[in-house]
Amino acid sequence: DIVLTQSPATLSVTPGDSVSLSCRASQSISNNLHWYQQKSHESPRLLIKYASQSISGIPSRFSGSGSGTDFTLSINSVETEDFGMYFCQQSNSWPRTFGGGTKLEIK
Amino acid sequence: QVQLQQPGAELVKPGASVKLSCKASGYTFTSYWMHWVKQRPGQGLEWIGEINPSNGRTNYNEKFKSKATLTVDKSSSTAYMQLSSLTSEDSAVYYCADAMDYWGQGTSVTVSS
Repeated sequence: DIVLTQSPATLSVTPGDSVSLSCRASQSISNNLHWYQQKSHESPRLLIKYASQSISGIPSRFSGSGSGTDFTLSINSVETEDFGMYFCQQSNSWPRTFGGGTKLEIK
Repeated sequence: QVQLQQPGAELVKPGASVKLSCKASGYTFTSYWMHWVKQRPGQGLEWIGEINPSNGRTNYNEKFKSKATLTVDKSSSTAYMQLSSLTSEDSAVYYCADAMDYWGQGTSVTVSS
C-alpha cells in the first residue's frame, strides 16, 4: 500500500498568515493526489484534485502543487473558517489511501 | 445539486450485521464510482472500497474484504454497504462519496450490547 505522510501534524497560525502543508508519498503517484478539508463534526470537502486542479466553489486562496512523491497545499492568507483538519489522498493505486492529516489551529 | 443522503446513526449489537444506505440525487447515479470511507472517533480516514453503479463491479481494500459488501440499487439510485460480524472496532462514522468528490454526511455506527 502507498503510505502518505503529512507534515506537520499540527500547524498553529494567525489569521492572515500564509501556510504550506506537506504530503509525501512512499512511491511515485504521478499527480494522482487530492486534498480535503474536514471541520469538526462535518464530512470531508474536496479542495484540490490531481495535485493542482482547482474545484468550483473553493476559494482561490487554496492552491496545490507537486508531482511524483512530494505535494504541497498552500493557503494564501488564512481565514478563521479555514481552521480544521486537512487530509491528502492518493488515487494512483489500490487501495486508495489517506494521509494522517494536518490540524490547522488558531495560534 | 449533488446530494448523498445517509442515515444519521445505527446502534447494533456485537456479532450482528448492518446495512448502510446512501441515496444519491442531483446527478446520473451510474456515471461515477461510489466509494465508502471509515473514520473512527478522533482518527483519520480509511478507504473501504468502491463500486461501479452501472455494472456492480467492485474494488475492496484487502483489510475490509471480509467485513464489507458493497451493492447498489439502480432503480432507486441507492448504494449500500453491509458490515458483518460487528465488533467494537467497527464503531465509526461511515461515509459514502461519489467519485470522492461529493461526500454524504456519514452514518455513525455504534456497536454495543
